[in-house]
Amino acid sequence: QLVLTQSPSASASLGASVNLTCTLSSGLNSYAIAWHKQQPEKGPRYLMKVNSDGSHSKGDGIPDRFSGSSSGAERYLTISSLQSEDEADYYCQTWGTGIRIFGGGTKLTVL
Amino acid sequence: EVQVVESGGGLIQPGGSLRLSCAASGFTVSSNYMTWVRQAPGKGLEWVSVLYSGGNTYYADSVKGRFTISRDNSKNTVYLQMNSLRAEDTAVYYCARETPGEPMDVWGQGTTVTVSS
Repeated sequence: QLVLTQSPSASASLGASVNLTCTLSSGLNSYAIAWHKQQPEKGPRYLMKVNSDGSHSKGDGIPDRFSGSSSGAERYLTISSLQSEDEADYYCQTWGTGIRIFGGGTKLTVL
Repeated sequence: EVQVVESGGGLIQPGGSLRLSCAASGFTVSSNYMTWVRQAPGKGLEWVSVLYSGGNTYYADSVKGRFTISRDNSKNTVYLQMNSLRAEDTAVYYCARETPGEPMDVWGQGTTVTVSS
């Protein structure tokens, strides 16, 4: 069964770094995931794809402050030099033939 | 500019029907996978349906048998026909593009569907 697990919330200070985690369900370590950002009252925005080997490819216009990595069943989104506009909900997402799955989302608060 | 624009949302009574549209520009819908995702008030993102470039269609269990995804290549537009609507279908509906084998990389601004008597 394809399940993605995210912590409901995270917080970090302005200018600091934060790691958000997405955990794939058991046996699915080979799956790539995508990270999407959603600011309040806006549609989602694609950030990047993170592969099982830790490589990542970002969407158009995504700043260098955003990066991705992997370890086993975990996929990470790292945001450095946090800015106020980074305060948002972050969703991981994966896919297979005929199915797409979202994690529950992590609400990031910038202190 | 590559973009998708949703329309067609509104207030509809339970049991009613509605058709959402997703007009694409800057790319060809028939060469890509097109997905509908929804977000109920205060909730997370939920995948609804995907239309593959080859024509195969897939649906979440929650909408299977009630919703139909289709496209009009001449209008470069994707549709979501929603029948037998329920209160739990109330959500903002987003359209998104997927390059085959890749994740959703272009999202629209969404259209709101409210199912209520």
